[in-house]
Amino acid sequence: AQSVSQHNHHVILSEAASLELGCNYSYGGTVNLFWYVQYPGQHLQLLLKYFSGDPLVKGIKGFEAEFIKSKFSFNLRKPSVQWSDTAEYFCAVNQGSGTYKYIFGTGTRLKVLA
Amino acid sequence: EAGVTQFPSHSVIEKGQTVTLRCDPISGHDNLYWYRRVMGKEIKFLLHFVKESKQDESGMPNNRFLAERTGGTYSTLKVQPAELEDSGVYFCASSQDSGSTYGYTFGSGTRLTVV
Repeated sequence: AQSVSQHNHHVILSEAASLELGCNYSYGGTVNLFWYVQYPGQHLQLLLKYFSGDPLVKGIKGFEAEFIKSKFSFNLRKPSVQWSDTAEYFCAVNQGSGTYKYIFGTGTRLKVLA
Repeated sequence: EAGVTQFPSHSVIEKGQTVTLRCDPISGHDNLYWYRRVMGKEIKFLLHFVKESKQDESGMPNNRFLAERTGGTYSTLKVQPAELEDSGVYFCASSQDSGSTYGYTFGSGTRLTVV
């Protein structure tokens, strides 16, 4: 069965530290990849997405992610986090265009200390 | 534009009772999805509507769950009778296309606690 693994369940960083959240998926075919974020008390929002082209994807709020097909990975990065980045981050996959069902990872709770 | 609206935001019910969750998608979004997150686990797909038709309900846990989408507008998810393991956060999302290209717009979720 397809699955998405987020290895870091809880991450605590100080402001200005660099961030990398891991995401690995298990599916051999064409995939679309997403990172969503849920700030406290808010709805899930799309941070960035990849479906083709340049494997380095830039999203909102200074986030980026790199798709490495050979490693089945789509890690999220930010060079310098802010207190306002405190949130839960979810990696999600779906199987190429025309399909709709997302498979989510378990989420990573990030706490940024001011 | 107005977002996806879900209510109630929280619901606490006793085992055996019935609960109905509602989702109002973004106007014009034909695709509506329900997902659920049980405490500490991943967000899991429940079902997908295109307008008023169920396209895929393969994620529905059992026949205690019933989803409807009247006239292709809002959707309800009824749990009857509720069990303890039904506790979790129920998310609704909508999209213009299948969601594969542009992503979904999610609601804030309904936190259901069955005691």
